[in-house]
Amino acid sequence: QQPVQSPQAVILREGEDAVINCSSSKALYSVHWYRQKHGEAPVFLMILLKGGEQKGHEKISASFNEKKQQSSLYLTASQLSYSGTYFCGTEKGRGAQKLVFGQGTRLTINP
Amino acid sequence: DTAVSQTPKYLVTQMGNDKSIKCEQNLGHDTMYWYKQDSKKFLKIMFSYNNKELIINETVPNRFSPKSPDKAHLNLHINSLELGDSAVYFCASSPLGQGTVGYTFGSGTRLTVV
Repeated sequence: QQPVQSPQAVILREGEDAVINCSSSKALYSVHWYRQKHGEAPVFLMILLKGGEQKGHEKISASFNEKKQQSSLYLTASQLSYSGTYFCGTEKGRGAQKLVFGQGTRLTINP
Repeated sequence: DTAVSQTPKYLVTQMGNDKSIKCEQNLGHDTMYWYKQDSKKFLKIMFSYNNKELIINETVPNRFSPKSPDKAHLNLHINSLELGDSAVYFCASSPLGQGTVGYTFGSGTRLTVV
């Protein structure tokens, strides 16, 4: 079952913050986050495993609420280079070998 | 360079033709995948292979036949192409039980069926 992302699109000015949410109706083992720029491949940002841990990567961090089967991606002090479409991908079990992606959130950062 | 490489990058063909897309990874990963990204950007898994063995086939039409000659290669052959097959096809790889390592995607093959 496909996870649901919200919002579908966000427009920000450089320096503003954004939060992208990813929800699943099924119990999850892991949540991945990827960014895809126009005409390019998705690029891995981070993975969160069952256990509710929070991870960080420069000014981009994420959390995973195992009870609610929700993950959130936080982008702080956004830069122009953060523009793109963000996808969450979910796995139901360890080594499931099947990442199911949400529908994507388009993030536009304006100067 | 260590990477997942796909060829060709663009493919324009007529309905009814047969075409192949090749994928190679030199990351030493055990698992390889084919994903289809449609015009609405939805990324849908098609196949998953682990060390040359088919693990997942997501109810993809029989016209699509993946082949993995070794764990570093995963090719996709498509017979009798239809207009609805037009999309970007991504190959990806990951280590088995990846822990903190995500998927590495190839640059994609944009298939246009006319």
